[in-house]
Amino acid sequence: NAGVTQTPKFRVLKTGQSMTLLCAQDMNHEYMYWYRQDPGMGLRLIHYSVGEGTTAKGEVPDGYNVSRLKKQNFLLGLESAAPSQTSVYFCASSRPRPSEQYFGPGTRLTVT
Amino acid sequence: AQKVTQAQTEISVVEKEDVTLDCVYETRDTTYYLFWYKQPPSGELVFLIRRNSFDEQNEISGRYSWNFQKSTSSFNFTITASQVVDSAVYFCALSDPQGGSEKLVFGKGTKLTVNP
Repeated sequence: NAGVTQTPKFRVLKTGQSMTLLCAQDMNHEYMYWYRQDPGMGLRLIHYSVGEGTTAKGEVPDGYNVSRLKKQNFLLGLESAAPSQTSVYFCASSRPRPSEQYFGPGTRLTVT
Repeated sequence: AQKVTQAQTEISVVEKEDVTLDCVYETRDTTYYLFWYKQPPSGELVFLIRRNSFDEQNEISGRYSWNFQKSTSSFNFTITASQVVDSAVYFCALSDPQGGSEKLVFGKGTKLTVNP
C-alpha cells in the first residue's frame, strides 16, 4: 500500500497563476484533510472532507478551493496564487473517530 | 475553542540524556483524543501515539513514554536515553470533532536536537 500520496512534490508559481494539488489515499479512509505548515505556526487546517462529494472549511480556507469527487482523492486548488500561500502543504486521511490521521509526504509550494 | 500549547520551542540535549516535551491543551469536550506526531528533517509526519480522555494510564513504548494528566490538562512526552535519530520536530495535537470529522488542532511544535 502506498498510503497517502501527493502530487507534485515541489512547485513554483508566479503571483496570479493557478494550480491544483492532488492527494490520493489507498486505505479506504472516509475523512481527508488539507493542512498548510508555515515556520513557527505548526499545521493549520485549510479544508476537510468527511466523505465523497462533501467538503468543509477549516481554519484558513481563504484563497483555496477543494473537491472530493472520488473517495480516494482530495484536490486542493489555488485559483490566483499569492506570495502568502508559499508554504508546505500536507494532505491527510483517517477513519472515523477514534483514529489518527495519516499524512502524505507534503508539497512545497513557492509563489513569487 | 480547542487549543494546544507547546511552550518549548527548541530543546537541545546531548545523546543519552532524558528529555521531556511538554504539551498543555484546552477543550470543553468531555470525550477527546490527544496525539503526538514526529517530523524528522526529511519532512514527513509520523504518528506516534493516540490517547483518549478516559484512559489516564501512562504508556511506554521502548524509549518513549507518555504522561497524560487530566487534572493539569497535560500530555507530556518523554524520551529516555535520547539518540541522534530522535532529532526532529514533535507536534502534540488535540481532536476537534466538529462537522462530523476528526479534525486536529496542532501545537506549534518543539524542535528537539540531540547532539552526539
